[in-house]
Amino acid sequence: ETGVTQSPTHLIKTRGQQVTLRCSSQSGHNTVSWYQQALGQGPQFIFQYYREEENGRGNFPPRFSGLQFPNYSSELNVNALELDDSALYLCASRSGTSAYNEQFFGPGTRLTVL
Amino acid sequence: AQSVSQHNHHVILSEAASLELGCNYSYGGTVNLFWYVQYPGQHLQLLLKYFSGDPLVKGIKGFEAEFIKSKFSFNLRKPSVQWSDTAEYFCAVNACLARGNNDMRFGAGTRLTVKP
Repeated sequence: ETGVTQSPTHLIKTRGQQVTLRCSSQSGHNTVSWYQQALGQGPQFIFQYYREEENGRGNFPPRFSGLQFPNYSSELNVNALELDDSALYLCASRSGTSAYNEQFFGPGTRLTVL
Repeated sequence: AQSVSQHNHHVILSEAASLELGCNYSYGGTVNLFWYVQYPGQHLQLLLKYFSGDPLVKGIKGFEAEFIKSKFSFNLRKPSVQWSDTAEYFCAVNACLARGNNDMRFGAGTRLTVKP
């Protein structure tokens, strides 16, 4: 257990719908990163939030958006779902933005888009 | 753009065999390098990391990795594997960007199966 929790565990949506995934960071961590892990692939960086501001983004379209709240928990929103969005979505938290500080991963949310 | 290649998709070893998992990256600047492990049913967790200094780094559970800058490689090794090392192993690279170290690229992973 890392102290990073995610909800829900599993989710099934249909193409075109919208989805919100949630992440609670480990106590004391003010940075949350989101990753998409397709089957058989490594995690791909979506974006990072630091003190409620987006602080870096990977190669994902604008329909992937996020929020970070004052308690440093975070949401990942995906609009207009596509079949290829089916994946495990991981969040990770750390203190500050430096890679010197270890990031701790949550268990993930498995999203299936039909 | 930086990328990470893990050449072995699935490695099967017997207990006590030696392990080496390959990882190559493409990025011309300064990088931080990581190996993560995901045991069945568990979260991704950090095995070891390299930022600077001695290119041979030691991690948890007897794992080590060697950074060879000229080969853009960061191979993971363990002299004698155990059944409990059965897991998925991911190499990751973080480019030292001016805007903060926030873009981590992972390889596709190597599944290690250790037979008792």
